[in-house]
Amino acid sequence: EAGVTQFPSHSVIEKGQTVTLRCDPISGHDNLYWYRRVMGKEIKFLLHFVKESKQDESGMPNNRFLAERTGGTYSTLKVQPAELEDSGVYFCASSQGGTQYFGPGTRLLVL
Amino acid sequence: GQQVMQIPQYQHVQEGEDFTTYCNSSTTLSNIQWYKQRPGGHPVFLIQLVKSGEVKKQKRLTFQFGEAKKNSSLHITATQTTDVGTYFCAEYQAGTALIFGKGTTLSVSS
Repeated sequence: EAGVTQFPSHSVIEKGQTVTLRCDPISGHDNLYWYRRVMGKEIKFLLHFVKESKQDESGMPNNRFLAERTGGTYSTLKVQPAELEDSGVYFCASSQGGTQYFGPGTRLLVL
Repeated sequence: GQQVMQIPQYQHVQEGEDFTTYCNSSTTLSNIQWYKQRPGGHPVFLIQLVKSGEVKKQKRLTFQFGEAKKNSSLHITATQTTDVGTYFCAEYQAGTALIFGKGTTLSVSS
């Protein structure tokens, strides 16, 4: 069974640019989560989808971040415009109510 | 908001020595989960503890949940170089998400 996949694995952009991260959850998992780890800090929750609906987006830092999950399958997380403090590793995880399985992450560097 | 404090932040040991990381919360935890993230990798679920005073073992790893459900520990006996990584504790809040501690990064020299 394929695990959670994320694309791209790395992204280097300049401040002010736009970046879109993609996550493909494990097939059949209704729950999809986005997390972020800034260097040296804890992994922080961003938001939670149940199928295509946003269950909880309390962790989204500000309105420069937009997440979608059209059709309840893959999800995208867009950062527009990117700022220096957005640099970090963005993890996606999926679950079917139990254990959360994490993807490999996207390492974002904003210069 | 809810915070899970984890110590130490870093730990270096010689291969064969033991290692322990601790998680503490000011409020009662509904559960505690432990994850391991290898360098350059992603968090991988290790175990979940739910009951007060619960102790679970996985080979050289021993996980404990405090009687008051406000603290937890992960103990590794006789560390090996394959144990290198960052160990996170996290509370799973039902219907929402994982609240992670800052993690303890373990390095092991042979």
